[in-house]
Amino acid sequence: DQQVKQNSPSLSVQEGRISILNCDYTNSMFDYFLWYKKYPAEGPTFLISISSIKDKNEDGRFTVFLNKSAKHLSLHIVPSQPGDSAVYFCAASAVGYHNAGNMLTFGGGTRLMVKP
Amino acid sequence: GAGVSQTPSNKVTEKGKYVELRCDPISGHTALYWYRQSLGQGPEFLIYFQGTGAADDSGLPNDRFFAVRPEGSVSTLKIQRTERGDSAVYLCASSLIPGLRETQYFGPGTRLLVL
Repeated sequence: DQQVKQNSPSLSVQEGRISILNCDYTNSMFDYFLWYKKYPAEGPTFLISISSIKDKNEDGRFTVFLNKSAKHLSLHIVPSQPGDSAVYFCAASAVGYHNAGNMLTFGGGTRLMVKP
Repeated sequence: GAGVSQTPSNKVTEKGKYVELRCDPISGHTALYWYRQSLGQGPEFLIYFQGTGAADDSGLPNDRFFAVRPEGSVSTLKIQRTERGDSAVYLCASSLIPGLRETQYFGPGTRLLVL
């Protein structure tokens, strides 16, 4: 049973436009959410995170929104650039839920393609 | 500074063989995680070390999988009697302090192919 889902396997966006990547989760114990970006042949790279006590966190062109009641989060990239083309993973964790402290549960990923 | 390194980058083996995958975390990081990423999926947790001890190995799929971190730095993931279903990218991550929202830094992974 997938606890974190990214229902769109791919997304294509024109350069300069907004990219919106979505993520849904089912486990109500998750209280910390992250987005990772992955280029081919490289490991995932941390992008941005949000705690469940917030509904928005912004870092430059990247903004993450959290809707706890809907168990939904999204990543907005504005403006999108060709270098943003990568696979984006949503991840969640819960302090105290598991012995593994900061163990991350990942979604399946969304491949973003930003066209020049 | 140096990031997380993993060796080998690629490993091809035959079904039934034994393999070892190595992870060298960022210096000073006490927490170390192993994840496995199958094709088209996100990484899945395998095991977590806090220092030298495995604090949680609940993600290991079966007893063919074992991992050690004898000196609290380098870790080795060991797979016995490999099966074709073990083919995946094995990712290692480390963080400075466990369980405190510390960012996990990932290595490039070892791509394992079992023929």
